[in-house]
Amino acid sequence: NAGVTQTPKFRVLKTGQSMTLLCAQDMNHEYMYWYRQDPGMGLRLIHYSVGEGTTAKGEVPDGYNVSRLKKQNFLLGLESAAPSQTSVYFCASSDGGTLGDTQYFGPGTRLTVL
Amino acid sequence: GENVEQHPSTLSVQEGDSAVIKCTYSDSASNYFPWYKQELGKRPQLIIDIRSNVGEKKDQRIAVTLNKTAKHFSLHITETQPEDSAVYFCAASSGGSNYKLTFGKGTLLTVNP
Repeated sequence: NAGVTQTPKFRVLKTGQSMTLLCAQDMNHEYMYWYRQDPGMGLRLIHYSVGEGTTAKGEVPDGYNVSRLKKQNFLLGLESAAPSQTSVYFCASSDGGTLGDTQYFGPGTRLTVL
Repeated sequence: GENVEQHPSTLSVQEGDSAVIKCTYSDSASNYFPWYKQELGKRPQLIIDIRSNVGEKKDQRIAVTLNKTAKHFSLHITETQPEDSAVYFCAASSGGSNYKLTFGKGTLLTVNP
């Protein structure tokens, strides 16, 4: 199993450009998450999904949109990138249920917005 | 919402010494507390977790303790080794569920040979 994968690994955007980050998991997990990681700030939840076709806002959702059309994929979109969105983005997934709380992270996407 | 405070932000120890990282949380409904380790340039990975019905859990050189009354939990690493050097994050479940986590800001642990 590949686990959780993310594409692309690196990206440089200019202010105002748009892009989509793709997260895929092959563990048949119900829950998926997008986090951003900034120096000294830990991991902050952007959006999450509790199942195919569902999305919900996390702690820092502004400027981002998400979609979960298929259970195995969770897409994060930036419609008009801003320098404040320069960060490392991590996707994660979890099985849910009583003992299925462990979140498995992808390798991350390093995004720079100029 | 949930707020998780983590201390210290940096910790330097000599190889073989013990390291302790402490976290406090605000939501009394939180009942799941995982710890993640992130090596430089890598993804966070779960190293140990504890649920609210347990006060302590051990896994070889790693242990976690939970004090629900005081709303704090701690990570203990004994006999530290250079490969323990990494950033460690605590987290607490939030919003009344176990699937949504709030993370602390992390502790950079350096183990000096």
